[in-house]
Amino acid sequence: EAGVAQSPRYKIIEKRQSVAFWCNPISGHATLYWYQQILGQGPKLLIQFQNNGVVDDSQLPKDRFSAERLKGVDSTLKIQPAKLEDSAVYLCASSLKQYTDTQYFGPGTRLTVL
Amino acid sequence: GEDVEQSLFLSVREGDSSVINCTYTDSSSTYLYWYKQEPGAGLQLLTYIFSNMDMKQDQRLTVLLNKKDKHLSLRIADTQTGDSAIYFCAEAGSSNTGKLIFGQGTTLQVKP
Repeated sequence: EAGVAQSPRYKIIEKRQSVAFWCNPISGHATLYWYQQILGQGPKLLIQFQNNGVVDDSQLPKDRFSAERLKGVDSTLKIQPAKLEDSAVYLCASSLKQYTDTQYFGPGTRLTVL
Repeated sequence: GEDVEQSLFLSVREGDSSVINCTYTDSSSTYLYWYKQEPGAGLQLLTYIFSNMDMKQDQRLTVLLNKKDKHLSLRIADTQTGDSAIYFCAEAGSSNTGKLIFGQGTTLQVKP
């Protein structure tokens, strides 16, 4: 079974530029999560999708971050414009169902904002 | 609010046992998890425990849960150099959406 795929693996941009990350969850997984992991910290949930609907985006800085999962499969996370403090690893995870089902994580995208 | 705390660093000798500790605040958490993160990699689920259990063993891993004190520990028996990584404790938050609240991670260093 293929795992969660993410691209790109690394991205370096200058502040005020835009960037987008892509995630392909495990086949058949209805729930998709985007986490932000700042260096030295644990991951923090940004947004959670159940199929193509948003379940929780309370921690998403909506003035600059957006995410979509149009067909209930792949997802993209966008930052526009980026700030220095957005430098982090962006992790995508998926689970078969919601609630307490096991989450499987992708390798992450490391973003550096200069 | 929901919070998970871990000690930041643990160093052990190869062959010794490692014990990584975690405290959490949300008494309504149903599941508690341990994840492992190696350099440049995503998070790998190691094990989890349901809140009505007080112990779970899985090969070299033993999880102990003290629900009264909201304390979780992960014991790794016969620690190997390949166990060197960052270990994260996480609780499923009270929102029942599956959202995980992570601690800041414990770096385990295994010396040969």
